[in-house]
Amino acid sequence: EVVLTQSPGTLSLSPGERATLSCRASQSVSSSYLAWYQQKPGQAPRLLIYGASSRATGIPDRFSGSGSGTDFTLTISRLEPEDFAVYYCQQYGSSPRTFGQGTKVEIK
Amino acid sequence: QVQLQESGPGLVKPSGTLSLTCAVSGGSISSSNWWSWVRQPPGKGLEWIGEIYHSGNTNYNPSLKSRVTISVDKSKNQFSLKLSSVTAADTAVYYCASLGSSWYNWFDPWGQGTLVTVSS
Repeated sequence: EVVLTQSPGTLSLSPGERATLSCRASQSVSSSYLAWYQQKPGQAPRLLIYGASSRATGIPDRFSGSGSGTDFTLTISRLEPEDFAVYYCQQYGSSPRTFGQGTKVEIK
Repeated sequence: QVQLQESGPGLVKPSGTLSLTCAVSGGSISSSNWWSWVRQPPGKGLEWIGEIYHSGNTNYNPSLKSRVTISVDKSKNQFSLKLSSVTAADTAVYYCASLGSSWYNWFDPWGQGTLVTVSS
């Protein structure tokens, strides 16, 4: 099983600042089969990034993904008020599909 | 655009069986798609439960495999989840999601989720 470890657990930032979220895998993720999701309270997760770096339909370009192998990053270039939420990484290269434990981006 | 909607009892007794259905609209469940279930205990992270292909092939999370059954009902354009011998640890919001046509795909779209509480 691929274990995904996200850091930090909580990120306290102000609107307009840059957010850098990390996702580290216990073994190499096949073909960069890694996705990022955003979840707000009471809502289902929303796909942001797939294939480690491809933005999903309708996702603003302030969201970007990078990385390969075991180290992946989600960057939000300038935080908007609606970006404060919990972010999860997820690998889909091997079974069982696994998620990271999440990073909460909160308003400082 | 496919839309998904979960339904089922919100309260299940300990040792009972949790049964949920995911209705698919805007597309056919018989299309070449994988369909999946994910759950989230209150205040915690996401856990993949299992998935089914339109043909009936299934994959389950090893941590739940002995208790999980996922099935497809093509006549009703829906798929279902059954989780047996439930305990309080199975209390969670249960989401259904689509994986699209390839197994090597992400979860999109998701249903809105339904909270299931295990309590006597």
